[in-house]
Amino acid sequence: QSVLTQPPSVSGAPGQRVTISCTGSSSNIGAGYDVHWYQQLPGTAPKLLIYGNSNRPSGVPDRFSGSKSGTSASLAITGLQAEDEADYYCQSYDSSLSVLYVFGTGTKVTVL
Amino acid sequence: QVQLQQSGPGLVKPSQTLSLTCAISGDSVSSNSAAWNWIRQSPSRGLEWLGRTYYRSKWYNDYAVSVKSRITINPDTSKNQFSLQLNSVTPEDTAVYYCASPGIDDAFDIWGQGTMVTVSS
Repeated sequence: QSVLTQPPSVSGAPGQRVTISCTGSSSNIGAGYDVHWYQQLPGTAPKLLIYGNSNRPSGVPDRFSGSKSGTSASLAITGLQAEDEADYYCQSYDSSLSVLYVFGTGTKVTVL
Repeated sequence: QVQLQQSGPGLVKPSQTLSLTCAISGDSVSSNSAAWNWIRQSPSRGLEWLGRTYYRSKWYNDYAVSVKSRITINPDTSKNQFSLQLNSVTPEDTAVYYCASPGIDDAFDIWGQGTMVTVSS
């Protein structure tokens, strides 16, 4: 099951800024492990959006940005566009020995 | 460019074995720097990492504790692919199954297309 907690949904009008939080614990984000973010469109596999807390893979628009502090991380989308409507997931490594990688509960972004 | 292509049945009966294969192109299953993972996604459990296989002079496996007694992930060097076997399935194992491989900073940048597997009689 998902170990990282995200809000179920966020929404915003085109052009606005939205943020998605990702809260972990001392065995994952709080232990200093990197946080990665994925975008998932309906019926498709997750796509890497942010890696290493704040880095964008080639081809990802710079309106997407990530940050991390303590046991939490955040994804920000500035200048929201209709095509950004999707599900977003955070992910990190976990040292609890029960699982290597943990994912967030997922956030649905709706463009109003 | 690395690509992963999944294959396998979409319907499995309760108590039977779920078997999926992930064919690799653009890399080698025996690569000393890659790892080959299985992840599943369901409405009730979200995204869940299941396990991985990787080669570092010899083969290693890591499995999630939640499925450790039922799961096997095997490499097939002759076909450059890896497989997932999940035994004694129940309807709780109904999910979309993905193969995936991490790249820079251990982020999953390569994913298979996903296989919807339903456990039902």
